[in-house]
Amino acid sequence: GENVEQHPSTLSVQEGDSAVIKCTYSDSASNYFPWYKQELGKRPQLIIDIRSNVGEKKDQRIAVTLNKTAKHFSLHITETQPEDSAVYFCAASRTSGTYKYIFGTGTRLKVLA
Amino acid sequence: DTEVTQTPKHLVMGMTNKKSLKCEQHMGHRAMYWYKQKAKKPPELMFVYSYEKLSINESVPSRFSPECPNSSLLNLHLHALQPEDSALYLCASSQELAVAVAQYFGPGTRLTVL
Repeated sequence: GENVEQHPSTLSVQEGDSAVIKCTYSDSASNYFPWYKQELGKRPQLIIDIRSNVGEKKDQRIAVTLNKTAKHFSLHITETQPEDSAVYFCAASRTSGTYKYIFGTGTRLKVLA
Repeated sequence: DTEVTQTPKHLVMGMTNKKSLKCEQHMGHRAMYWYKQKAKKPPELMFVYSYEKLSINESVPSRFSPECPNSSLLNLHLHALQPEDSALYLCASSQELAVAVAQYFGPGTRLTVL
């Protein structure tokens, strides 16, 4: 079945450095790719998303890039801060045919002060 | 109101109990979801309601019974659960089902089955 691979599973960076998390999806019909941040004991919260007709999107220190040909998308966080520490989940969704909204396995990001 | 709310925050129940989880949103969203999340794992889709009708049931055991009384409310009725059902149960909503939009999650109910 369809799946979303996410790497790395854990990532430690020094405060101020950049962090990159990558996801690869298998369903070529996927057309929507959100990223969620989940702090310990809290709900997943959308931080950025991208649709399949766009290659890149940026929101302040966060950016997402999409390569449809290779079926992968990445989250880029620049100038990391301790409050960026959390688990990040990517997801791939299709809106035609059978509905699918598949989460990646998660990346635990630690920003060291 | 841009939040999804869930009650209770925590629930401890025995294997013979019957309990219900509640979810509410007032964003006018027409799709609502139940997810189960185990520690250090991604959310796992259980049920999807679209316009108050059950659209997707991801082969969830019958001891979990969803209900959508109206467009703002979603319930999950629990009966004869097993210890392995202990998890964080998340509710989410989105504008529509088959549209490329974000899902908004509630804070979850942490369920412990003894």
